Amino acid sequence: NAGVMQNPRHLVRRRGQEARLRCSPVKGHSHVYWYRQLPEEGLKFMVYLQKENIIDESGMPKERFSAEFPKEGPSILRIQQVVRGDSAAYFCASSRDRGTGDNSPLHFGNGTRLTVT
Amino acid sequence: SQQGEEDPQALSIQEGENATMNCSYKTSINNLQWYRQNSGRGLVHLILIRSNEREKHSGRLRVTLDTSKKSSSLLITASRAADTASYFCATERKSSYKLIFGSGTRLLVRP
Repeated sequence: NAGVMQNPRHLVRRRGQEARLRCSPVKGHSHVYWYRQLPEEGLKFMVYLQKENIIDESGMPKERFSAEFPKEGPSILRIQQVVRGDSAAYFCASSRDRGTGDNSPLHFGNGTRLTVT
Repeated sequence: SQQGEEDPQALSIQEGENATMNCSYKTSINNLQWYRQNSGRGLVHLILIRSNEREKHSGRLRVTLDTSKKSSSLLITASRAADTASYFCATERKSSYKLIFGSGTRLLVRP
């Protein structure tokens, strides 16, 4: 059983380039969450998506960042015109369709470490 | 703002000793979860405690939850060098599925 798969594991981009981070959820999971982690800090929520829908993007910067989870294929976190401050580890998590009061934990990938030079 | 805050930020103990980490949060929650992260790796789910539970055990882990004080503790008994990692609490609010993480406790277990 494959867990959450993220690729690439490491990504180096120069300032101004675009970064595309991919996340394949656990098979059968229809919910995806993206988090960002700066060195020595906890994870900060960015966006929550279901298939073809953005449910909560309250943690996403207003500019340059976008996320999608298409009907087919992985979820993509896209960062346009990257700056040095975007350097961080980006984690994806997935879950099944959860009802009210569902206490099943999220499954996390190993992250993509983005370095902007 | 972050929901959970942990203390201590860093903890160094001798192998065999117990390690206690604390987490405080601000709003009503559905559940509280503890995760472990080894350096450079993803998060591993350790234990989940629901808002109507007060204590939970899993192997050498013991978690308590005090909703009146909005706090939780994670106890690792008989620590091992392999327990060296960062430990994060995360809260799930009622009617929201996203997890809010604390800043973590970095645990070092000296052999």
